[in-house]
Amino acid sequence: DAGVIQSPRHEVTEMGQEVTLRCKPISGHDYLFWYRQTMMRGLELLIYFNNNVPIDDSGMPEDRFSAKMPNASFSTLKIQPSEPRDSAVYFCASSPPRQGGRETQYFGPGTRLLVL
Amino acid sequence: KNQVEQSPQSLIILEGKNCTLQCNYTVSPFSNLRWYKQDTGRGPVSLTIMTFSENTKSNGRYTATLDADTKQSSLHITASQLSDSASYICVVSGPNDYKLSFGAGTTVTVRA
Repeated sequence: DAGVIQSPRHEVTEMGQEVTLRCKPISGHDYLFWYRQTMMRGLELLIYFNNNVPIDDSGMPEDRFSAKMPNASFSTLKIQPSEPRDSAVYFCASSPPRQGGRETQYFGPGTRLLVL
Repeated sequence: KNQVEQSPQSLIILEGKNCTLQCNYTVSPFSNLRWYKQDTGRGPVSLTIMTFSENTKSNGRYTATLDADTKQSSLHITASQLSDSASYICVVSGPNDYKLSFGAGTTVTVRA
């Protein structure tokens, strides 16, 4: 398996522009997570899905952020409009069906976003 | 306040030496604790997962310990190699296994 796939790997955009990050989870995994990592705040969970349904979006910073999972093999995280403080590395991770709390989350390579 | 505190923030060791990283947490109730390794420019990779009933877990030269009573965990790296240079992140989950609390990480630099 190729692992979790994210695109683009790098994104540079200007403030106010729309940014769309993409993720393909590992086949067979029914949980998908979006994280943001910054030097100041470390890793933060933004939202996660189970069987394509958003379960917890309490980590989404504000209404400018939205995430969708139209099918089991694809998810998007959209920022509209983007702001410089959104600059971070955004990770997507997926996890197999529940195994009594011992599930491992497999992370993608991340998208490095810079908003000018 | 972060519920997972790691120490030291960074350390430098010589190749072949051992080192121990610390993690203290206040997440309660506690479900499991994980150690992840994150290489520069890459996503975190799971090293170990321990539930509250487990005291130790090994993965090659990595050994994690857990004391659920004192809410402390450690990650011991034996005979360090240059490839061990990375950030090591302690991650704790409560009753919702999928809402993870992350430590800030310890950056390990192994020098020849």
